[in-house]
Parts: sequence; structure tokens; C-alpha cells
Amino acid sequence: GQNIDQPTEMTATEGAIVQINCTYQTSGFNGLFWYQQHAGEAPTFLSYNVLDGLEEKGRFSSFLSRSKGYSYLLLKELQMKDSASYLCAVRDRSDYKLSFGAGTTVTVRA
Amino acid sequence: KAGVTQTPRYLIKTRGQQVTLSCSPISGHRSVSWYQQTPGQGLQFLFEYFSETQRNKGNFPGRFSGRQFSNSRSEMNVSTLELGDSALYLCASSLAGASSYEQYFGPGTRLTVT
Repeated sequence: GQNIDQPTEMTATEGAIVQINCTYQTSGFNGLFWYQQHAGEAPTFLSYNVLDGLEEKGRFSSFLSRSKGYSYLLLKELQMKDSASYLCAVRDRSDYKLSFGAGTTVTVRA
Repeated sequence: KAGVTQTPRYLIKTRGQQVTLSCSPISGHRSVSWYQQTPGQGLQFLFEYFSETQRNKGNFPGRFSGRQFSNSRSEMNVSTLELGDSALYLCASSLAGASSYEQYFGPGTRLTVT
């Protein structure tokens, strides 16, 4: 099974940078996903890491260290529209099930 | 390309009743996964269907069941509803199964049990 931890809430100012950490314990790792979910909407895919290192995609970057069971999502040049919940999810190697963390609510202030 | 659609979007039911939710995946996608999302528990995996067969199942009681049709559309059924079943039910489709790169989520069905 999976045990996934991420902070409950974070607040940052428009234009700033925020880093959302995610730690996990798993019996078999097959990739880590980050999703963004605005209130009342469906989660949307942001990034996928299966190898160690940094994946950059525009203002968003995601990092993975498999040996440490650790990932982070970095949001740069924050905009008001980035206010949302960010979900960390780990996929199991044996059955490909996705297990989600409880989500981190990011509030961007002017 | 149309996204994942779910019907109905909102539903109010009484304890003891049963409910059926529907999910139409993106055209060409053969895998449909169902999730329950509540404020306290977050997103939890219910089950996954691929080519009309249940391939994976989460830790939910037998009151929760599902099926998939030949056109990949999927339904989820909850019998003998309990207050704790109030949640947002999300389905997600992917091209070739849970091993695919990403899943695309539908807007969800908000179920309220009174």
C-alpha cells in the first residue's frame, strides 16, 4: 500500500514561488503524479515523474527522489488563478493503482 | 475531442436507497477508473474497468459495484446508501489502462445522502 503526506495549506503572494512537498512510503513504486484541482472542478494533470530528477513544464516543475520517497511541485511566478488544491499521487508497481495524498490548498494573495 | 462526461452532476438520495452514476470516457479510451472524494479522506480509488472487465478494486464494501459496456461507457452503483456515502464521485479515463501516462478526470457527480 501507499502512505502519502503533503501539507494541508500554503499561502503565497502573487509573483512569488511556492514549493509543495510530498513524501510517500510504498511497497512498489511506479511513478508519481501531480494534479491541480480548482474548487468544484475535476483534477487536471500537471506532471509525471518516474525517474529521479527535475521535470520542468513552463511555470511548474516537479522533482523526484525515489531513494528518499520525496517529491516536490514548484510553482513559479504565481498567479491568482493558481489558487487551487494540488494533489500528489503515487502509482503502485504491481497493480498500477493510483493512491492520492489529501491535497495541499494553495492560496495566492495579491 | 470531447472530454470525460459524467451524469448526473448532482444527486440527492435518502438513506437506504440505491443510486447509479454514469461515465462516458474520452473517445478511444478503454479504461475507466472511479474515485470517491470527501473532505476527510481525500481521493480514494474505487475500481477500474478495462475492456468490460474489472481489473482493480479498492477497499470499499460490496455495496459499491460497477460495470463497463462494450462502448467503454461505465456505470457505478451504490446500494443501501449511507450518510457517509455523501461525496464527489469522479471517473477518469485513460487510453490503454492504468499503466497509461495519465488519466483524464470528468467533472464528477456530487451525491448527497440525507
